[in-house]
Amino acid sequence: AQKVTQAQTEISVVEKEDVTLDCVYETRDTTYYLFWYKQPPSGELVFLIRRNSFDEQNEISGRYSWNFQKSTSSFNFTITASQVVDSAVYFCALGMDSSYKLIFGSGTRLLVRP
Amino acid sequence: ETGVTQSPTHLIKTRGQQVTLRCSSQSGHNTVSWYQQALGQGPQFIFQYYREEENGRGNFPPRFSGLQFPNYSSELNVNALELDDSALYLCASSLASGTSAREQFFGPGTRLTVL
Repeated sequence: AQKVTQAQTEISVVEKEDVTLDCVYETRDTTYYLFWYKQPPSGELVFLIRRNSFDEQNEISGRYSWNFQKSTSSFNFTITASQVVDSAVYFCALGMDSSYKLIFGSGTRLLVRP
Repeated sequence: ETGVTQSPTHLIKTRGQQVTLRCSSQSGHNTVSWYQQALGQGPQFIFQYYREEENGRGNFPPRFSGLQFPNYSSELNVNALELDDSALYLCASSLASGTSAREQFFGPGTRLTVL
C-alpha cells in the first residue's frame, strides 16, 4: 500500500528561523515521484517540486531545499530564513509510475511569526 | 499562459440535492483530476479524465461522476448530497499520456457546504 506520513501537524517559528518539514513515504514501486505543494489560506495548491525515485540529489531553490533519502524513505523540506509569507499548509505527495493519482499526506501547518 | 480556473468559488446546498462543479484546465494540458479535501486533511483523489474518458477512480461512490469536454475542461457532478460531502473540491490539470504522475497544477477550488 502507498502512504505518506507528515508527522508534524503544526510548526510555529519566528521569522528568520530555519524550519524543516518532514515527509515519510511508503511504496513498493521502484519508480515513483515525490512532490511538495504549498496551500496558502486562499486554498489553491501551489506546486513546489517534483523528484523521481532515481534522482537522490538534493535540490536548492532560493530559500527552499529538499533532502531525498531512499534509505529512510524520506523527502524533507527545509525553508531557510523563514518569512511571514511562508505561513501556509505544506503537503507532501507521492505518485507512482503505474498510476495517475497523487497520494497526499495530512499536511503540516507552518506559522511564521514576525 | 492561463492557469487552472474553477467555478463557482463557494456553494451551499442542502442534503439530497445535486451539484455541478466546473474546471478549466491550464492552457496546453489534456488531463484533469479531481480531489476532495475535507477540513484539516490532505486532498483525496476522486477521479481523472484523459481524452474525455475516466482514466482512473479513487474510493468514491458512483454518485460522484464527471465529464471532460473536447477543450479539456471538466465537470464534477455529485448526486444525492450528504453532509460529509462538505469539502473543498480541487481540480488539477496536467500534460500526460494517460499514465504516470506528472506535475499536477491545481485550481483555487470550490468550497461546497452541505446543510
